[in-house]
Amino acid sequence: SQQGEEDPQALSIQEGENATMNCSYKTSINNLQWYRQNSGRGLVHLILIRSNEREKHSGRLRVTLDTSKKSSSLLITASRAADTASYFCATAEGGYNKLIFGAGTRLAVHP
Amino acid sequence: SQTIHQWPATLVQPVGSPLSLECTVEGTSNPNLYWYRQAAGRGLQLLFYSVGIGQISSEVPQNLSASRPQDRQFILSSKKLLLSDSGFYLCAWSGAVAETQYFGPGTRLLVL
Repeated sequence: SQQGEEDPQALSIQEGENATMNCSYKTSINNLQWYRQNSGRGLVHLILIRSNEREKHSGRLRVTLDTSKKSSSLLITASRAADTASYFCATAEGGYNKLIFGAGTRLAVHP
Repeated sequence: SQTIHQWPATLVQPVGSPLSLECTVEGTSNPNLYWYRQAAGRGLQLLFYSVGIGQISSEVPQNLSASRPQDRQFILSSKKLLLSDSGFYLCAWSGAVAETQYFGPGTRLLVL
């Protein structure tokens, strides 16, 4: 099953611009996580936001969570070429921390 | 610090041949371990997870199996590969009660 759905599927911006990616999910959650994947590499955890939190910051990253709309957004401010990657949201389903990932947003930041 | 290794990095195998992918974690004990498959340009699909030695749970019916012979070793196997087994296989670990997962570098498998 696919819990999270990211939007847009692809995003192309210039360096210095902000990038916003959205994620929608279907069931109740305890937390929502965002991961980043450089081409052909493993995923790297970026940030986790709990269901009782509405906003969280980490460096140039800002994540919001709206549990009433079952949606989250990831904002990358002042983007850099090195931010070029795919970004995935993930929610935990059942026990044992099983994560369900969306299809991801492919971000391209042009110098 | 904890590290996670996967090998091989890439593999090209003929249809019908066996498969063994290995994942090992260092610097932690009693981790939860996970195998995912990623099709090109897609998200990750959870295949197996394990909460202890010899304990394997399968998420989707398929041609693959998993084993955990040691606390920090997770193996993905197949007796006979299918074309549809091609993909990028990722191993991940998390603490027993933690929420964040840490991923290995992945193995790219091409079945011809």
